[in-house]
Amino acid sequence: EVQLLESGGGLIQPGGSLRLSCAASGFSFSNFAMSWVRQTPGKGLQWVSTISASGKTIFYADSVKGRFTISRDDSKNTLSLQMNSLRPDDTAIFYCAKSQLGAVFAAHNSWGQGTLVSVSS
Amino acid sequence: EVVMTQSPATLSLSPGERATLSCRATDSVRENLAWYQQKPGQAPRLFIYGASTRATGVPARVTGSGSGTEFTLTIDSLQSEDSAVYYCQQYNQWPFTFGQGTKLEIK
Repeated sequence: EVQLLESGGGLIQPGGSLRLSCAASGFSFSNFAMSWVRQTPGKGLQWVSTISASGKTIFYADSVKGRFTISRDDSKNTLSLQMNSLRPDDTAIFYCAKSQLGAVFAAHNSWGQGTLVSVSS
Repeated sequence: EVVMTQSPATLSLSPGERATLSCRATDSVRENLAWYQQKPGQAPRLFIYGASTRATGVPARVTGSGSGTEFTLTIDSLQSEDSAVYYCQQYNQWPFTFGQGTKLEIK
């Protein structure tokens, strides 16, 4: 059974940093692209970042480019999202999601339960 | 950026009826379109991919159709378990984008 378990969320002041992690199990992690998607009541669902299985293809939403960094550690079956210079509008539930393919351009067929990031002073 | 627009925003139907949800893209996404089902307090669940292929565990009374810029999700013989918000999402070009969702209520 595929399992994705996010961690690292919490309350942080504007300008601060957080590192989200996603522990994956139940599938061959190194063979699949992975993504971070966030959700807010006001803005709905937004794709934040995605990384291919090889790690060679990475995309970021314009709103996080230059502030967030996605990475993967295939030896630990872990996906990470380093978030710097956090702003109040980054407040959201962050989901880790698994692609159906090694390439990034595919639907995502497994999602974690999410971790809440709150940016507030 | 491809903007996805869903209609209606809310759909209220009785058990046994048919639900028809629409999704429109501002640019062609070919058949690179997914539908996700989300219930309160849960993560999105892949429902349809490739515009018309049911994901694992999705019943045969669910049908996805369309290509290019117009897509439809049809759910026949509605059951209480179908109550959820349904999102369309294109993965044809970056940034991947979602519609704002259609809330399906079962009376």
